[in-house]
Amino acid sequence: SQQGEEDPQALSIQEGENATMNCSYKTSINNLQWYRQNSGRGLVHLILIRSNEREKHSGRLRVTLDTSKKSSSLLITASRAADTASYFCATDRQGAQKLVFGQGTRLTINP
Amino acid sequence: NAGVTQTPKFRVLKTGQSMTLLCAQDMNHEYMYWYRQDPGMGLRLIHYSVGEGTTAKGEVPDGYNVSRLKKQNFLLGLESAAPSQTSVYFCASSTGTSGGTGELFFGEGSRLTVL
Repeated sequence: SQQGEEDPQALSIQEGENATMNCSYKTSINNLQWYRQNSGRGLVHLILIRSNEREKHSGRLRVTLDTSKKSSSLLITASRAADTASYFCATDRQGAQKLVFGQGTRLTINP
Repeated sequence: NAGVTQTPKFRVLKTGQSMTLLCAQDMNHEYMYWYRQDPGMGLRLIHYSVGEGTTAKGEVPDGYNVSRLKKQNFLLGLESAAPSQTSVYFCASSTGTSGGTGELFFGEGSRLTVL
């Protein structure tokens, strides 16, 4: 079964707006990661947040982690048409040596 | 650097045929993974390896076998292909540390169709 569940499944916004995607998971984790996938391509790593971190930034990306609620969010600020892609969260459970992915959020940025 | 290379990129099989997907990485990574991606299902882990000579089952291992004879290569075999194995297959690798898997580097995918 999937460890991470993203919400919403699909999101469509105007260029320049902010996009927020959420991820919930079920078990204790070492870290949580976010990936991006352009249509028909392999996944690309965006950001990793460790279980003892609460917030992390990378350029226009902001990730938060709430281990008490077992949830994370990815915020993309000032969105661009090139941000159109699917975004996946993945959890690294303690002792598991593998990543389990959610079903993803399909983000569309309208020019 | 090539990173993670998957071959072949496309393949069409008939039910019952066998085939092998090859994944090669040039980053000296310890951990390697095979995932499949189906519409609406996200990525599901088939098998993985945490080092040369080791393999382990993931979420959906049935119908697949793997081998990691060399550190840089991870092979995924389909013994007797079935239409349910029509999918896009992704290989990934990571350094792997005591603190977790680390960042995964993905190949571009292998699109398999079983008729």
